[in-house]
Amino acid sequence: EVQLVESGGGLVQPGESLRLSCAASGFSFSTYAMGWVRQTPGKGLEWVSVISGSGDRTSYPDSLKGRISISRDNSKNTLYLEMNSLRAEDTALYYCAKDLYASGSLIFDSWGQGILVTVSS
Amino acid sequence: IQLTQSPSFMSASVGDRVTITCRASQDISSFLAWYQQKPGKAPNLLIYAASTLQTGVPSRFSGRGSGTEFTVTISSLQPEDFATYYCQQLARDPYSFGQGTKLEIK
Repeated sequence: EVQLVESGGGLVQPGESLRLSCAASGFSFSTYAMGWVRQTPGKGLEWVSVISGSGDRTSYPDSLKGRISISRDNSKNTLYLEMNSLRAEDTALYYCAKDLYASGSLIFDSWGQGILVTVSS
Repeated sequence: IQLTQSPSFMSASVGDRVTITCRASQDISSFLAWYQQKPGKAPNLLIYAASTLQTGVPSRFSGRGSGTEFTVTISSLQPEDFATYYCQQLARDPYSFGQGTKLEIK
């Protein structure tokens, strides 16, 4: 059974940084691309980033480029999201998600339970 | 690319046939997925490539469409189908989601 467990969220002040982690199990981690999606009551679901199975290709929406970085450690079956210069509008529930394919189709067939990030002074 | 779902809210009864529509602001071919989300849970993939049913999803769900107009149909609503449904386009960055359609019990 695929399991994705996010950690690292919490309350941070504007301008600070945060690193989210996602521990994966139940599948061949390095075979699949992985991604992050966030959700807010106001803006709904928003794709945040994706990384290929090997980790050599990443993609971000223009709105977040330069402030976020996705990475993975296939030896530890763990996905990461580094977020810098956090803003109030980054407040959201962040989901780790497994891609259907290795290359990064952005079709997410398994999701974690989500981790809350709150940016507030 | 903007995705507009209609309706945003609907109520229906067990056994009803319901259809939710997702319209894209540009041609996205068949690069569309549908997700179901229940309160307090993560989204669950139902359909991808507009009409391919994800493994394990009941056959009462079906997807159609290409270009700019897409639908997901539930042929006979079951109690567990009452949830919020989202479409997502996979054609162009940023890979946007629709605003959601909340399906409630009448």
